[in-house]
Amino acid sequence: QLQLQESGPGLVKPSETLSLTCTVSGDSISSSNYYWGWIRQPPGKRLEWIGSVYYSGSTYYNPSLKSRLTISVDTSKNQFSLTLSSVTAADTAVYYCARLSSNTWFFDFWGRGTLVTVSS
Amino acid sequence: DIQMTQSPSSLSASVGDRITITCRASQSISNYLVWYQQKPGKSPELLIFAASSLQSGVPSRFSGSGSGTDFTLTISSLQPEDFATYYCQQSYRTPYTFGQGTKLEI
Repeated sequence: QLQLQESGPGLVKPSETLSLTCTVSGDSISSSNYYWGWIRQPPGKRLEWIGSVYYSGSTYYNPSLKSRLTISVDTSKNQFSLTLSSVTAADTAVYYCARLSSNTWFFDFWGRGTLVTVSS
Repeated sequence: DIQMTQSPSSLSASVGDRITITCRASQSISNYLVWYQQKPGKSPELLIFAASSLQSGVPSRFSGSGSGTDFTLTISSLQPEDFATYYCQQSYRTPYTFGQGTKLEI
């Protein structure tokens, strides 16, 4: 059974860097049919796609975040990671990692999500 | 970016009712439309992809239709576990974008 688990600090100070890791179990992150993605949801707001990564390291970023964003993959650990620099209160959200099917591009499995609060 | 707009934003219904939620894209997205269900404190769950393809394990009372810019999600006979928030997402091009959600309440 596929499982994704987000991990990382729940509190980040303004102007600092947010770092999260998603650990995948029950499937290989090197599967050719899937990408892996990050999505966030600010409190009471709609979901926002952050970006996606392929096992080869190819990445696709939301242009609204691209200047501050890095997504990487570690196939040896079956993990992928997100770093978002220069955070502000607007980056406070529940962050989800998810598997992205390359068959018409839908997120078919999601992690439980982790709340990241940006505050001093 | 492609803007996704759902209507209504909230909907009150009863067990056994048939309901329809609409999602409109700001430009044509062919059939690259996905529906998710999200319950409070939980992550979204995939219901329908490619506008009308039911995800494995999703009850057949859920159905989706549409193409181009206008799409619908229909629940034929509401069950107690269906009361949740529903989101559409366009998967036509990046950045993938979501609708604002439709909260389905008893």
